[in-house]
Amino acid sequence: EVQLVESGGGVVQPGGSLRLSCAASGFTFRNYWMSWARQAPGKGLEWVALIKQDGSQKYYVDSVKGRFAISRDNAKNSLSLQMDSLRVDDTAVYYCVRGPGDWGQGTLVTVSS
Amino acid sequence: EIEMTQSPATLSVSPGERATLSCGASQNVSDKLAWYQQRPGRAPRLLLYGASTRAKGIPARFSGSGSGTEFTLTISSLQSEDFAVHYCQQYNNWPYTFGQGTKVEIK
Repeated sequence: EVQLVESGGGVVQPGGSLRLSCAASGFTFRNYWMSWARQAPGKGLEWVALIKQDGSQKYYVDSVKGRFAISRDNAKNSLSLQMDSLRVDDTAVYYCVRGPGDWGQGTLVTVSS
Repeated sequence: EIEMTQSPATLSVSPGERATLSCGASQNVSDKLAWYQQRPGRAPRLLLYGASTRAKGIPARFSGSGSGTEFTLTISSLQSEDFAVHYCQQYNNWPYTFGQGTKVEIK
């Protein structure tokens, strides 16, 4: 069974940083593109960042370019999202996603003063 | 960026009836179109990918059609668990983009 477990969410002030992690199990992690997506409270879904199997290609939505960095450790079956210069509009539940299909349960990030 | 537009915003349907949801893309996305269902407080669940292929464990009452810029999700006989928000998403071009969602509610 595919399992994706996010951690690292919390409350941070505008301009601050957080690092999200995703522990993957139940599949061969190194074989899959992995992503982070988010959903602001009461709003729709947004695909935030995407990373290739070997980490050689990374893509970001314009609103987070230069502030967020996606990375992976295939030896540890883990995915990360380093979030810097956080803004109030980054407040959302952040999901770890395998391909288009499997989503974790999410971790809430709240950016507030 | 490809814009995805879903209609209607809200669909009121009685249990056991058919529901038809529409999704349009501002550019050709071929068949790189997924449908998700999201219940309150839960993560999205993949229903269909490749416009018409059901994901693992998804009942046959869910079907999808279309290619290019026009797509449809049909739920043939609504069950209580299907009353939720449904999103379409294109994955043909980065950034992957979602529609704004269609809420299927009990009539």
